[in-house]
Amino acid sequence: AQSVTQPDIHITVSEGASLELRCNYSYGATPYLFWYVQSPGQGLQLLLKYFSGDTLVQGIKGFEAEFKRSQSSFNLRKPSVHWSDAAEYFCAVPDNYGQNFVFGPGTRLSVLP
Amino acid sequence: DTAVSQTPKYLVTQMGNDKSIKCEQNLGHDTMYWYKQDSKKFLKIMFSYNNKELIINETVPNRFSPKSPDKAHLNLHINSLELGDSAVYFCASSQQGPGANVLTFGAGSRLTVL
Repeated sequence: AQSVTQPDIHITVSEGASLELRCNYSYGATPYLFWYVQSPGQGLQLLLKYFSGDTLVQGIKGFEAEFKRSQSSFNLRKPSVHWSDAAEYFCAVPDNYGQNFVFGPGTRLSVLP
Repeated sequence: DTAVSQTPKYLVTQMGNDKSIKCEQNLGHDTMYWYKQDSKKFLKIMFSYNNKELIINETVPNRFSPKSPDKAHLNLHINSLELGDSAVYFCASSQQGPGANVLTFGAGSRLTVL
């Protein structure tokens, strides 16, 4: 079965600092990969997705992610974090049967002023 | 216009009651989902519907029943509520199945069972 791990439960960074959130997945072939963000009290919003091609993908709000097949990773990055980026971040992949999305456990990002 | 709308946003009720949460999407998507998010933010799929046909049903209690009157609506009915049902329930939709398509989520419905 598909699985997604996000090793960091909670990360705290200072505003203006760089950010990297880790995501590892188990999948037989090249997967479709997604990052979603959940702001407090809100639903999830798509940040970016990888389907094929260039392994570095750009998303909204200045985020980018890099697919590394050799490491089964799809880490999310941002060069300079803003206070409004404080939220919960979820990595996701479709399951083997294409019937469902499998979400990682999430990483909570706190931003210090 | 809100793409995926859920009502109510908050629901507080007593154990043993029956309640429903409604979901509507105006995106013309083919597939709709219900997810449960527990207190640790873990997201678990409960149901998905594709063109009014249930295509997956995870191991949720049969007290939970999805109802889809048409492609744009997927309501969640819960019988005999229990304390453990307290959670945030999210409705979502996608153009087709999840393979390469993205999910559009509603804002969530927070259910508190007393």
